[in-house]
Amino acid sequence: AQRVTQPEKLLSVFKGAPVELKCNYSYSGSPELFWYVQYSRQRLQLLLRHISRESIKGFTADLNKGETSFHLKKPFAQEEDSAMYYCAPLDGTASKLTFGTGTRLQVTL
Amino acid sequence: DGGITQSPKYLFRKEGQNVTLSCEQNLNHDAMYWYRQDPGQGLRLIYYSQIVNDFQKGDIAEGYSVSREKKESFPLTVTSAQKNPTAFYLCASSSLPGQGSSGYTFGSGTRLTVV
Repeated sequence: AQRVTQPEKLLSVFKGAPVELKCNYSYSGSPELFWYVQYSRQRLQLLLRHISRESIKGFTADLNKGETSFHLKKPFAQEEDSAMYYCAPLDGTASKLTFGTGTRLQVTL
Repeated sequence: DGGITQSPKYLFRKEGQNVTLSCEQNLNHDAMYWYRQDPGQGLRLIYYSQIVNDFQKGDIAEGYSVSREKKESFPLTVTSAQKNPTAFYLCASSSLPGQGSSGYTFGSGTRLTVV
């Protein structure tokens, strides 16, 4: 069965510091991977997907198949980045996402 | 506005009662999903459906039931058999792979409390 691990429940950084939210997956085949974000009092929403290789709100994520990782990175954290972040591989056959337990990012002044 | 609507936002249930959570979407998505969100456990899949009149169990289906009579609607019933029903429930929809999938669209959730 596919598994996804987000080892940090809480990550606290200062404004302007680099951010790295870790995600490791255990998966057969080549999954499509996503990062979702939930800001306070807002809906869970898509942040980025690895297949598009885009940068959203300054965040990027590179799929490392050798390490089976999909870490989310941002060079300079902003206060508005404070949120809950979920890593999620997609089971393409069944078209369903498996979510990690999430990491709460807290950006302080 | 296209979107996905969950109702009610808050729901209280007495022990031993069944309760149904509503989820409606007007995005013309084929697939719909129900997740349960608990602190420290992330989102866990309850049921999902890729086509009308068909659905599959997720990882924690026991004590829940669903129906998919219309493409737009995917109601979730929390039965009295669910031992720990107090939680935040999220509904989502998506197009299927090969249809230009852009990920899931989530509803705003229903918080169910058993009293």
